Amino acid sequence: AQSVTQPDIHITVSEGASLELRCNYSYGATPYLFWYVQSPGQGLQLLLKYFSGDTLVQGIKGFEAEFKRSQSSFNLRKPSVHWSDAAEYFCAVGRAKTGANNLFFGTGTRLTVIP
Amino acid sequence: ETGVTQTPRHLVMGMTNKKSLKCEQHLGHNAMYWYKQSAKKPLELMFVYNFKEQTENNSVPSRFSPECPNSSHLFLHLHTLQPEDSALYLCASSQGDSYEQYFGPGTRLTVT
Repeated sequence: AQSVTQPDIHITVSEGASLELRCNYSYGATPYLFWYVQSPGQGLQLLLKYFSGDTLVQGIKGFEAEFKRSQSSFNLRKPSVHWSDAAEYFCAVGRAKTGANNLFFGTGTRLTVIP
Repeated sequence: ETGVTQTPRHLVMGMTNKKSLKCEQHLGHNAMYWYKQSAKKPLELMFVYNFKEQTENNSVPSRFSPECPNSSHLFLHLHTLQPEDSALYLCASSQGDSYEQYFGPGTRLTVT
């Protein structure tokens, strides 16, 4: 069965510092992996996705993520965090189905950015 | 900016009330989803519709009744809810064979 683990519930970083959010997945086949961000009072916005190919993927807002099959991980990184990055971040794995394809989400990591 | 809208944004209802949540997508997608988001829990997929046909019901209690009259509109009819049903209900849409789901802002539901 598919599952996603985000071990960090809450992370605090200083503005300008680097960021890494952890995600581990369990999936029997080649996973389709995603990172979404949710700002307060908003829905989820897709940051980036990995389907195949280059294991380092670039997303919006300066984020990137690296797929490591040996570690079953898909960690999200940003070299320099901005105050506007404060939000909740969700990792997700996709499950192929006929028609609509479903996503399984982790519990999320809340990011706080301090001046 | 989102191409998926949800109304109302906030809803408070008693356990004996009947209400409906509405979702509309302006993206030309053919699949729509209802999720429940509770604190400290993963997003729970509730229902999936593809070309107006329900393709998934994740053991959701019958007090939640979805309706998809066309590919652009999705409703969630609520009746005799319980306090533990209080949550943020998110709607999403996608092209049927794409994993990229676009989310609405959600309806914050409080059951008293």
